[in-house]
Amino acid sequence: GAVVSQHPSRVICKSGTSVKIECRSLDFQATTMFWYRQFPKKSLMLMATSNEGSKATYEQGVEKDKFLINHASLTLSTLTVTSAHPEDSSFYICSARDGTSGSYFPGEQFFGPGTRLTVL
Amino acid sequence: GQQLNQSPQSMFIQEGEDVSMNCTSSSIFNTWLWYKQDPGEGPVLLIALYKAGELTSNGRLTAQFGITRKDSFLNISASIPSDVGIYFCAGHVTGTASKLTFGTGTRLQVTL
Repeated sequence: GAVVSQHPSRVICKSGTSVKIECRSLDFQATTMFWYRQFPKKSLMLMATSNEGSKATYEQGVEKDKFLINHASLTLSTLTVTSAHPEDSSFYICSARDGTSGSYFPGEQFFGPGTRLTVL
Repeated sequence: GQQLNQSPQSMFIQEGEDVSMNCTSSSIFNTWLWYKQDPGEGPVLLIALYKAGELTSNGRLTAQFGITRKDSFLNISASIPSDVGIYFCAGHVTGTASKLTFGTGTRLQVTL
């Protein structure tokens, strides 16, 4: 149980285009989803927190208009990188929290496998 | 944002050796987590600690939640090649809706 998937796993796009990354919880209801960005050999940096049906909360320094997050259902959140540029190339990882079950410890998140974005 | 400091940053060890890494913070956390990340994959939870002083094992892994709530360590006994990867600690503060703060990571490489 508690499986999170991401699609696509890899994407290459041209500078100026927009890219959408999907994050799905496969066997639980994800009341909260998180989006992280990871540069090579670096740690995970939280970009934003999204709760189903409400606007995402972005971390300081993350451009809301650049990284559009939608969490329209309890099993799907999307991250759209708008007008992508080479500096947006990174590994994007989502995670999800099951807020409907009381069986998980505080802070537990289930991570997706990540999406590697390369902007040419 | 805030990050937790992990040490060592990287380490080479021989198969069969024991490994120890730690994580320190300037602020208190209520929960400490240890994750392993393989190349091109998302982090996988290894051990969760949610009580100061707690010592928890998971197979060859042992982790402890520091009494001050500002640190944690992870030990791996009798390392094997599949232990290669990056190990991250993460801290959670109660009431922050599962928001995690990640450590800087320890890269483990095992030589045969």
